[in-house]
Amino acid sequence: RKEVEQDPGPFNVPEGATVAFNCTYSNSASQSFFWYRQDCRKEPKLLMSVYSSGNEDGRFTAQLNRASQYISLLIRDSKLSDSATYLCVANSGTYKYIFGTGTRLKVLA
Amino acid sequence: EAQVTQNPRYLITVTGKKLTVTCSQNMNHEYMSWYRQDPGLGLRQIYYSMNVEVTDKGDVPEGYKVSRKEKRNFPLILESPSPNQTSLYFCASSTRGTSGGSYNEQFFGPGTRLTVL
Repeated sequence: RKEVEQDPGPFNVPEGATVAFNCTYSNSASQSFFWYRQDCRKEPKLLMSVYSSGNEDGRFTAQLNRASQYISLLIRDSKLSDSATYLCVANSGTYKYIFGTGTRLKVLA
Repeated sequence: EAQVTQNPRYLITVTGKKLTVTCSQNMNHEYMSWYRQDPGLGLRQIYYSMNVEVTDKGDVPEGYKVSRKEKRNFPLILESPSPNQTSLYFCASSTRGTSGGSYNEQFFGPGTRLTVL
């Protein structure tokens, strides 16, 4: 079983839709979590850190559920420019980072 | 401009011919890391460095070496490349977090696409 698992998608959604991704992690010692965005084999860029209390940044909301060991990303009012691959990342408090394989999102006009 | 640079961006080589991929950052970051990205496997950490002269293995270190003699540079060395090292490689850097779990953002270089024939 992979340490961080994501549904690869693709998720095809119309513009303006709300879409949610989940990511599960198996290492209960994981302490910090992130969502990164990656466009077509370019470098990943930080979208959001995921805090225990959950956090929101504009149209994006991230949640952490430690009991069930998953994190989620909600995107409201999807834009064409949101089309990308979203990478879930877990850090166990050491300096190692475990990336999920990514979830592809395609927002359709 | 704050950035992480990698060279070369593209490289085609043959089995067994030693190569070095350079990585440099201008943000005075303590932490640097190398990843490889393969279809279906995602990004996997090869090596990381917490500071000058301090490095450690990630999840897939076999066949790779690194060094950290200066804070800004973290080269990745393939002493004897093999076809299974054909991949997209990313270097990343960040400020060093606390031992309790770091929320520091990693900044990634543009990637190096390596093909080993």
